[in-house]
Amino acid sequence: AQSVTQPDIHITVSEGASLELRCNYSYGATPYLFWYVQSPGQGLQLLLKYFSGDTLVQGIKGFEAEFKRSQSSFNLRKPSVHWSDAAEYFCAVGALGYKLVFGAGTILRVKS
Amino acid sequence: DAGITQSPRYKITETGRQVTLMCHQTWSHSYMFWYRQDLGHGLRLIYYSAAADITDKGEVPDGYVVSRSKTENFPLTLESATRSQTSVYFCASSEGREGGNQPQHFGDGTRLSIL
Repeated sequence: AQSVTQPDIHITVSEGASLELRCNYSYGATPYLFWYVQSPGQGLQLLLKYFSGDTLVQGIKGFEAEFKRSQSSFNLRKPSVHWSDAAEYFCAVGALGYKLVFGAGTILRVKS
Repeated sequence: DAGITQSPRYKITETGRQVTLMCHQTWSHSYMFWYRQDLGHGLRLIYYSAAADITDKGEVPDGYVVSRSKTENFPLTLESATRSQTSVYFCASSEGREGGNQPQHFGDGTRLSIL
């Protein structure tokens, strides 16, 4: 069965510093992978998706993610974090029946 | 405006009561989903629907009932609410295009408290 692990429950970075959020997945075939962001009191917003092709995927708000099949990872990165990036981030993998399986989330705090 | 709307945004009820959470989407997406979000668990799928009159259980379906008589609506009913069902509930929709999973689009959630 598909599963997603986000090893970091909380991460704190300084404003302007680089960011990497980790995501490891378990899936037998070529996965469909997603990153979502959730601001307090809001629903989830899609940041980016990987279906196939180029393993480096660009998303909205300056985020990117790299698919590494050998490591079963899909880590999210941003070169310079802004205070408005403080939120909870979810990695997800596609499953049969058009379902998604989500990780437990990583809460990002940004220090000024 | 096009999108996905959940109502109510907040609900307080008592154990044993029946409560229905509404979800409406304007994209004509074939797939719709209900999740609950609890601290430490991320999002867990309750029920999903591939089209009108087609529904199926997700990871945590016990205590919940869904229906989908129209493509745009997917209500979730707690038949006899329990305290363990206190949670934030999210509805989502996606296209059902061939080729694999499409992104899901989420509503803003319903925060449900059961006393």
